[in-house]
Amino acid sequence: GAVVSQHPSRVICKSGTSVKIECRSLDFQATTMFWYRQFPKQSLMLMATSNEGSKATYEQGVEKDKFLINHASLTLSTLTVTSAHPEDSSFYICSARDLASTDTQYFGPGTRLTVL
Amino acid sequence: GENVEQHPSTLSVQEGDSAVIKCTYSDSASNYFPWYKQELGKGPQLIIDIRSNVGEKKDQRIAVTLNKTAKHFSLHITETQPEDSAVYFCAARQTGANNLFFGTGTRLTVIP
Repeated sequence: GAVVSQHPSRVICKSGTSVKIECRSLDFQATTMFWYRQFPKQSLMLMATSNEGSKATYEQGVEKDKFLINHASLTLSTLTVTSAHPEDSSFYICSARDLASTDTQYFGPGTRLTVL
Repeated sequence: GENVEQHPSTLSVQEGDSAVIKCTYSDSASNYFPWYKQELGKGPQLIIDIRSNVGEKKDQRIAVTLNKTAKHFSLHITETQPEDSAVYFCAARQTGANNLFFGTGTRLTVIP
């Protein structure tokens, strides 16, 4: 299947700092990318959907000024957690959809964010 | 919007036995149903998917069945192995929509 990479896999930061997570589709062009958040032993919670070259669409309750999403190219999307606080600690997973082929949605390996 | 329910939340089987996980969905406009396997600390991995124009799909030990009338679909794993132990998520996507709606997950444990 198609490959989606995420970087970094783990990040520990101090409260108040900003953290950027990169998501790349390695062997296909992703016109649409998604960002999810997952708490321990829970399902995936969609945070936002982004289409290349346009502003992201955020789900209800997700602060767009806190979770900045950029989808500048067909293979790269970034999520920046601004002014991170301990409650932002979570597992963040990106996903990409290849509309040019089978319409399947592939997930990255996730990024574990810990805010001290 | 779509609502996906998944059962059971946990499932333990003996190695070699079969495992069945069931999901129901609410929106008859949904037409795409993938299943993902998530191992601890990793992202979900697509293991099989089915579209509403077919009733069953099989890939080696894994099969998925879809009943559009009843709005439910199931994952079947035969001859289970310890490496099948993971959390499995079903999902549904509506026609023309972008995002998937996920079930709550099933933690499968295969006992050697």
